[in-house]
Amino acid sequence: AAGVIQSPRHLIKEKRETATLKCYPIPRHDTVYWYQQGPGQDPQFLISFYEKMQSDKGSIPDRFSAQQFSDYHSELNMSSLELGDSALYFCASSAQGENTEAFFGQGTRLTVV
Amino acid sequence: AQKITQTQPGMFVQEKEAVTLDCTYDTSDQSYGLFWYKQPSSGEMIFLIYQGSYDEQNATEGRYSLNFQKARKSANLVISASQLGDSAMYFCAMREVPANFGNEKLTFGTGTRLTIIP
Repeated sequence: AAGVIQSPRHLIKEKRETATLKCYPIPRHDTVYWYQQGPGQDPQFLISFYEKMQSDKGSIPDRFSAQQFSDYHSELNMSSLELGDSALYFCASSAQGENTEAFFGQGTRLTVV
Repeated sequence: AQKITQTQPGMFVQEKEAVTLDCTYDTSDQSYGLFWYKQPSSGEMIFLIYQGSYDEQNATEGRYSLNFQKARKSANLVISASQLGDSAMYFCAMREVPANFGNEKLTFGTGTRLTIIP
């Protein structure tokens, strides 16, 4: 079965650069969630989209923005990168009306140097 | 306030033994969901088991079972007959009832690192 696809899997950027992370949800899933997991930390919710509209917002820095496109894929844009942004970024997708877990992608490991 | 509490930062268990990972939660909602995820060293987040707050039976998935005690607000994960491949980080998470669609984010505990000893 198709899973959540995230790209790239690994990314190395320098401070003050920008990065774009992509997420392709499971087909027919209408909700996408982004999480950030710092080293040794639990995942923290950043932002979510339902039917291409932002539906919830967590502890996402102002330097970050995200959107969901017409084909339901989502992108997380990160500008003015800082060393503290180094983390594992997960995308998860789910379908409304279904009593299921959110399916997680394999994550993008971002390293800021 | 911490909504999900995992009090065991690390555990060491002999192979083939059963292991219980503790999780307590805090919510005022009547309807919620509880999840367990496994995160191996590769970093991926693997879904293990789900328990709905209205489910009367404890959830089971193969060697995994969830010991759900609603009055105590606990949702412990039990792994039977542990295997070397069970060595990983385990996260308990909760999904509360959203006000709107798309608000069904997960809140995670701090995790328990399980190491299976041969």
